[in-house]
Amino acid sequence: DTGVSQDPRHKITKRGQNVTFRCDPISEHNRLYWYRQTLGQGPEFLTYFQNEAQLEKSRLLSDRFSAERPKGSFSTLEIQRTEQGDSAMYLCASSLTSPYEQYFGPGTRLTVT
Amino acid sequence: QKEVEQNSGPLSVPEGAIASLNCTYSDRGSQSFFWYRQYSGKSPELIMFIYSNGDKEDGRFTAQLNKASQYVSLLIRDSQPSDSATYLCAVYIGNQFYFGTGTSLTVIP
Repeated sequence: DTGVSQDPRHKITKRGQNVTFRCDPISEHNRLYWYRQTLGQGPEFLTYFQNEAQLEKSRLLSDRFSAERPKGSFSTLEIQRTEQGDSAMYLCASSLTSPYEQYFGPGTRLTVT
Repeated sequence: QKEVEQNSGPLSVPEGAIASLNCTYSDRGSQSFFWYRQYSGKSPELIMFIYSNGDKEDGRFTAQLNKASQYVSLLIRDSQPSDSATYLCAVYIGNQFYFGTGTSLTVIP
């Protein structure tokens, strides 16, 4: 069990550019979550997949954000036309359906200049 | 009202003391509660989880649930400097995890 991995670990981009992050969950986990965390705050839910199906998406999530999990394994999170307010740590977590304790990856720190 | 609320602290305890962290939740139907430890610049690490059927102890950590008052607590016995971190409480509601803002704990040698 190699744990949840995320790539890249750090990303610096200019405002208006598109960025894509990848998450590889723990191999037997069928649930995958994306979160955003800013300084002094807890992780904020963005979206969640069960296998390849995206079952929930935060109402606060701009349509500039899109996520996929095409074969029910790894997932990608894309942010289009980045804004400075998108600067944050983007966290991925995975779990089983039951029990559903979730485990986090190391995160991708995004800086938009 | 936020689903999960925590006192942001900071909470300081001397080495060897008991650290007590609390979290309140708003959904009375919540049945699953999680504590994560997060070191500065790192991602959250799951340390304890508790379901509605009672308290749980794991080594130096004890999680306690008070359903009547809608709070869950984490006790850390024999606190060590390495326990200095932010502790996040999370509640599982309707396929989502809701996190508090975390409590910063400092253990003073």
